[in-house]
Amino acid sequence: SQTIHQWPATLVQPVGSPLSLECTVEGTSNPNLYWYRQAAGRGLQLLFYSVGIGQISSEVPQNLSASRPQDRQFILSSKKLLLSDSGFYLCAWSLPGWGTGELFFGEGSRLTVL
Amino acid sequence: EDKVVQSPLSLVVHEGDTVTLNCSYEVTNFRSLLWYKQEKKAPTFLFMLTSSGIEKKSGRLSSILDKKELFSILNITATQTGDSAVYLCAVLSSNTGKLIFGQGTTLQVKP
Repeated sequence: SQTIHQWPATLVQPVGSPLSLECTVEGTSNPNLYWYRQAAGRGLQLLFYSVGIGQISSEVPQNLSASRPQDRQFILSSKKLLLSDSGFYLCAWSLPGWGTGELFFGEGSRLTVL
Repeated sequence: EDKVVQSPLSLVVHEGDTVTLNCSYEVTNFRSLLWYKQEKKAPTFLFMLTSSGIEKKSGRLSSILDKKELFSILNITATQTGDSAVYLCAVLSSNTGKLIFGQGTTLQVKP
């Protein structure tokens, strides 16, 4: 069966510090991978998605970047965090191709930038 | 621009009540509509709808899609406190292959 792991679950970082959130998927090959951000009381905003190693599409201009160094590994990074980067970050995967769109989510990472 | 709009944004009911959550969309080349429940962390999948007029049902939850009027509803009958959550609607566009989420509806069920 497929599983998705995301870490860390919670972190508090000062403004200007770097960020690295990691996500790995097991039990499937060549998944589509996604990073979403959810502000308090809001829906999910797609930040990045990837259909393969080294292939990253960015949805919104921002202070963040993403990388996919291995087939089932997706990393969200920042060199210098801003206050506005605070939020709940969710990694997700879906089957290759478009399929039906069903996403499988990780447990999320809650980031507070002070 | 593709968009998904949910209403109401928040709702407070008492146990036993029936609630209807709405989701309307404007998405190029619609492929499917999905409902998720988010209690604390990861959203969990509820339903996927692709055809109009066919109700999907799971226990006290049901959902239906109207592709002509571009909306879907999620019904919860005999609500329980465990139904308290954020309910997310999302639409997949075959144009982009991406899932577009609405803002979510926060449901609170009081004992």
